[in-house]
Amino acid sequence: QQQVKQSPQSLIVQKGGISIINCAYENTAFDYFPWYQQFPGKGPALLIAIRPDVSEKKEGRFTISFNKSAKQFSLHIMDSQPGDSATYFCAANYGQNFVFGPGTRLSVLP
Amino acid sequence: DSGVTQTPKHLITATGQRVTLRCSPRSGDLSVYWYQQSLDQGLQFLIQYYNGEERAKGNILERFSAQQFPDLHSELNLSSLELGDSALYFCASSVAQGGSPLHFGNGTRLTVT
Repeated sequence: QQQVKQSPQSLIVQKGGISIINCAYENTAFDYFPWYQQFPGKGPALLIAIRPDVSEKKEGRFTISFNKSAKQFSLHIMDSQPGDSATYFCAANYGQNFVFGPGTRLSVLP
Repeated sequence: DSGVTQTPKHLITATGQRVTLRCSPRSGDLSVYWYQQSLDQGLQFLIQYYNGEERAKGNILERFSAQQFPDLHSELNLSSLELGDSALYFCASSVAQGGSPLHFGNGTRLTVT
């Protein structure tokens, strides 16, 4: 119940394309869902986050879609750029419990 | 810059030794989390402190221990080191115990030889 599943494990997208990463959770107690971006040798950095009272949140080229009934959420990266090549982690939180997905390695080809 | 400082950045030591990793959280953040990330792996939660008190424990080995001091900095102690302990160790801080984002430092890369 504490798991967050994330897919795909790796993703290759052409420059200008749309990157989509999906996550699913079981525990309905989760009430905060952040996404993190990690470059090699660096710590994960908060990208965007959503709470379950909204179905979508957009910040620039990054959009989170949230489906509370399906217990799923996804990250869409529009107009993907080579600089977006990184590992992306979804996470789910309630209280002090943060549960991270296993990560998706995104490669954007020039 | 997340505002979370971890030292040292790199650490190379031998099996059987003991090391201490240090973390200074963002100003105002009371909660500190420790994570282990092995090569190309995900983030494994180790332990969490809030305002000096241990609040949650994850997959932390008995050879590992941590504490958060009155000035809110935290230390992770790793003893009787084994080759398999080689990893990136991240500290993250948060203003509260939930509902607010974790801010990660850039980690300490530990190599056990």
